[in-house]
Amino acid sequence: AQSVTQLDSQVPVFEEAPVELRCNYSSSVSVYLFWYVQYPNQGLQLLLKYLSGSTLVKGINGFEAEFNKSQTSFHLRKPSVHISDTAEYFCAVSEAYGGSQGNLIFGKGTKLSVKP
Amino acid sequence: SQTIHQWPATLVQPVGSPLSLECTVEGTSNPNLYWYRQAAGRGLQLLFYSVGIGQISSEVPQNLSASRPQDRQFILSSKKLLLSDSGFYLCAWDRGGSNQPQHFGDGTRLSIL
Repeated sequence: AQSVTQLDSQVPVFEEAPVELRCNYSSSVSVYLFWYVQYPNQGLQLLLKYLSGSTLVKGINGFEAEFNKSQTSFHLRKPSVHISDTAEYFCAVSEAYGGSQGNLIFGKGTKLSVKP
Repeated sequence: SQTIHQWPATLVQPVGSPLSLECTVEGTSNPNLYWYRQAAGRGLQLLFYSVGIGQISSEVPQNLSASRPQDRQFILSSKKLLLSDSGFYLCAWDRGGSNQPQHFGDGTRLSIL
C-alpha cells in the first residue's frame, strides 16, 4: 500500500527567504506525484505534478519540485517566498497501475507561514 | 473550461438534523467524483467516490451517504448528524486514470451544534 509523509506540520519563514517543504512517499510500484495548495477556507488548488520525464517540475506561483526516485521524495521549493504564499500545502501520490479511478493518497499537510 | 460548484459554503446544523450537500461539475462529461472531509490536523479523508451515475463506493463506513443522480451531480447526505460530523467537506472531480489530478470545489464548512 502506498503512503505519503510530510515531515513538517508547520514551517515558519521570513518573506523573501527560500523554503523547502518535504514529502516522502512509499510505494511498491511506479507513482505519479502532485502538490496542492490550500488557502484558508478554500478548496485545494493544483500547484504542480510529476507524471514522467524530467525530474524537476515547475508549477504555478514560482514553485518547483524535484522527484528523487532513489530517496522516494518529492520536495517542494521556492527560492523567495511572499506573504501571499501563506497557506497549507499537500503532497499526494497515486500508483501508476492504470486504473480508471484515481487513488490519490494525501499527506497530512504542511502549514507554511510567511512573516514580514 | 471545467468548473466545480459546491453549496452551501457554510452550514450550521443541530445534532440529529438531516444533511444535504450538493456538488456539480460543468464543462466535462463522465467525471470521477469524490467527497472528502477535512478535520483540523487530520488531513483529507476520502469519504466516497463515484465513477458513474448510480455507482458509489464508500471508503469509511459512517452515518453519511452519497448519491449521484446525474452524470455531473454528487450529493452528500445524512439522516441524523452527529457532533463528529463537523468539518470542512470538499468535492472533487477528475477525468479518470491515476495520472489525472483532482480538481476541488471551494468546500462547505459544516458546524454541528
